[in-house]
Amino acid sequence: GNSVTQMEGPVTLSEEAFLTINCTYTATGYPSLFWYVQYPGEGLQLLLKATKADDKGSNKGFEATYRKETTSFHLEKGSVQVSDSAVYFCAVRHRSGGGADGLTFGKGTHLIIQP
Amino acid sequence: ETGVTQSPTHLIKTRGQQVTLRCSSQSGHNTVSWYQQALGQGPQFIFQYYREEENGRGNFPPRFSGLQFPNYSSELNVNALELDDSALYLCASSLDAWGYTFGSGTRLTVV
Repeated sequence: GNSVTQMEGPVTLSEEAFLTINCTYTATGYPSLFWYVQYPGEGLQLLLKATKADDKGSNKGFEATYRKETTSFHLEKGSVQVSDSAVYFCAVRHRSGGGADGLTFGKGTHLIIQP
Repeated sequence: ETGVTQSPTHLIKTRGQQVTLRCSSQSGHNTVSWYQQALGQGPQFIFQYYREEENGRGNFPPRFSGLQFPNYSSELNVNALELDDSALYLCASSLDAWGYTFGSGTRLTVV
C-alpha cells in the first residue's frame, strides 16, 4: 500500500526564514501528491498539489515539485510569516482501476514561526 | 457555494455504545470520504462513497459503516465503541474523487 514519511517536528523558525519540510512517499504507478495545512481546531485545507512527475504545485508562496526519481515532494517557502504556523501534512493518492483509494497522509509536521 | 459541514462538532460516548456522525457535502460534489485522525497523527482513511456506493475502504473493522444519500450527504456509524475510537473524524467531499474539501470534523471522546 501507499505510505508517506515526513520530517518530524516541531520545526521552529524565525519570521522571514526559508522553510523546507521534507516528504517522501511509497506508491505504485503514478500517484497524485498533495500538501494540506491544518490550523488549530480546524479541518484540513488543501495547500497545493501535483498530479504528474516534474509538476510544481504552488500556492500562497509555498511550492513543491513532484520528483518521481527520488519519490519526494518537499514543501518550500522562501520567507515564512507568523501566520504560517500550523501543522502541514503531505499526502499521496493513487487511483486504482474504476474505484478509488483514499488519501494516505504522513504524520504531520508542526511548524512554529516566531516573530 | 457552501463548504463541507459536519455535525455534531463534539460528542462524548460511553464504551460499547453506538454513534452516528453526519456530513453535508459541498454543493456539486458526488464523492464523500471519511477519515479518523488520532491526536498528533495524520488522518487515516476509513472509506469512500461514490454515488451512494462504497468504492474504497481502509484498514478499519466492519463496525465502522457508512451511508451516502441521494443528495450526497453522508453518515458514519460506529458500533461497539472502544476507547481507541476517540479521535477527530473528518469528512471530505469531492467531484469524482479529485480535489477533496474537508470539513472541520467531529471530535469524538469515548469514556
